[in-house]
Amino acid sequence: KAGVTQTPRYLIKTRGQQVTLSCSPISGHRSVSWYQQTPGQGLQFLFEYFSETQRNKGNFPGRFSGRQFSNSRSEMNVSTLELGDSALYLCASSLTGREETQYFGPGTRLLVL
Amino acid sequence: GENVEQHPSTLSVQEGDSAVIKCTYSDSASNYFPWYKQELGKRPQLIIDIRSNVGEKKDQRIAVTLNKTAKHFSLHITETQPEDSAVYFCAATTSGTYKYIFGTGTRLKVLA
Repeated sequence: KAGVTQTPRYLIKTRGQQVTLSCSPISGHRSVSWYQQTPGQGLQFLFEYFSETQRNKGNFPGRFSGRQFSNSRSEMNVSTLELGDSALYLCASSLTGREETQYFGPGTRLLVL
Repeated sequence: GENVEQHPSTLSVQEGDSAVIKCTYSDSASNYFPWYKQELGKRPQLIIDIRSNVGEKKDQRIAVTLNKTAKHFSLHITETQPEDSAVYFCAATTSGTYKYIFGTGTRLKVLA
């Protein structure tokens, strides 16, 4: 099976712009989670989707949003970008989102200037 | 809120020695604890996990122990090799939350 894929792999934006990141899960996986990874902070949970429904979200401002499509592909959007949003954004997929292995994508590295 | 603390942040060991990384979680209802390894420039990958009804689990040179009373779990790597050099993350989740809380990571360096 193909692994989790994310597009684009790299992005450079300026403050105030918005960005949309995409994640395609492993075939058959219906849960997609998003994480922000920054040096020293580890992986911080953004949100989780299953069957097009957000089941949980982390402590991020409302500028961070996401959605999931009927084919389980997911997108996350960040509006009004700030310098502090520069990070590696990882998505992870699993079959159900319950206590099971999460398979990570390669990430999208976002740089906000 | 939920929290997972991970120590140490960096760890250097000589090849062949053992390495131990410890994590403490705050939610006593947490019931699943995975460990991920992230090599430089790569994606995190699961190396071992443990559920709350088990106290210890081993897979070749890697083992994880869980102490539910103290709310901490540890990763043990024996006979370390240079290819074990990476950042290791612990995580915890609670059934029904669909949310994994990760530790801040441990950078392990295995010196040849």
